[in-house]
Amino acid sequence: GNSVTQMEGPVTLSEEAFLTINCTYTATGYPSLFWYVQYPGEGLQLLLKATKADDKGSNKGFEATYRKETTSFHLEKGSVQVSDSAVYFCALSLNTGFQKLVFGTGTRLLVSP
Amino acid sequence: DTAVSQTPKYLVTQMGNDKSIKCEQNLGHDTMYWYKQDSKKFLKIMFSYNNKELIINETVPNRFSPKSPDKAHLNLHINSLELGDSAVYFCASSQDSVRGQFFGPGTRLTVL
Repeated sequence: GNSVTQMEGPVTLSEEAFLTINCTYTATGYPSLFWYVQYPGEGLQLLLKATKADDKGSNKGFEATYRKETTSFHLEKGSVQVSDSAVYFCALSLNTGFQKLVFGTGTRLLVSP
Repeated sequence: DTAVSQTPKYLVTQMGNDKSIKCEQNLGHDTMYWYKQDSKKFLKIMFSYNNKELIINETVPNRFSPKSPDKAHLNLHINSLELGDSAVYFCASSQDSVRGQFFGPGTRLTVL
């Protein structure tokens, strides 16, 4: 089946620290991969995406590279801010058939000043 | 200009009642979805409609009935509400699998 595994949270960092949130996936076929962010009390926002192997998605200083050989899509940011505190979800969508998103369990990031 | 909107934002009701949540998107997308987020933040697909036609139904109890009057709207009606239905329900829409889905702000349902 199709599934996404994320590292357990919470991840607690000081401002300006380097961030990595690990994400690996299992999929039949070749999925598109996504990171969504959910700020407290809000809905999900698409943060970045990659649709094929070796693609790098980037947005707001966050990056993730689609690694087919390790079936991974780790999220990174060089210098986090307090405003990055949120829950981050890794997700996949198959490129054939119907397009439901399969989500990981989410990783809460807490950034302190 | 809200892309995907849901009403109501909060819904508090008694067990056994029937309630509806409405969703509208102005993105011109063909496909709409309902997801359920539980208390541990886990998100799971419930339904998907493509051009008003049901295409995904993920073993959701038949107390839940989606309805899509047109491709810009997807409503969710829930009969005989149970305590376990308490969750945040998100509507989303998409045009294809590579551009991702766009989510509404969510409806927090609390069943007492």
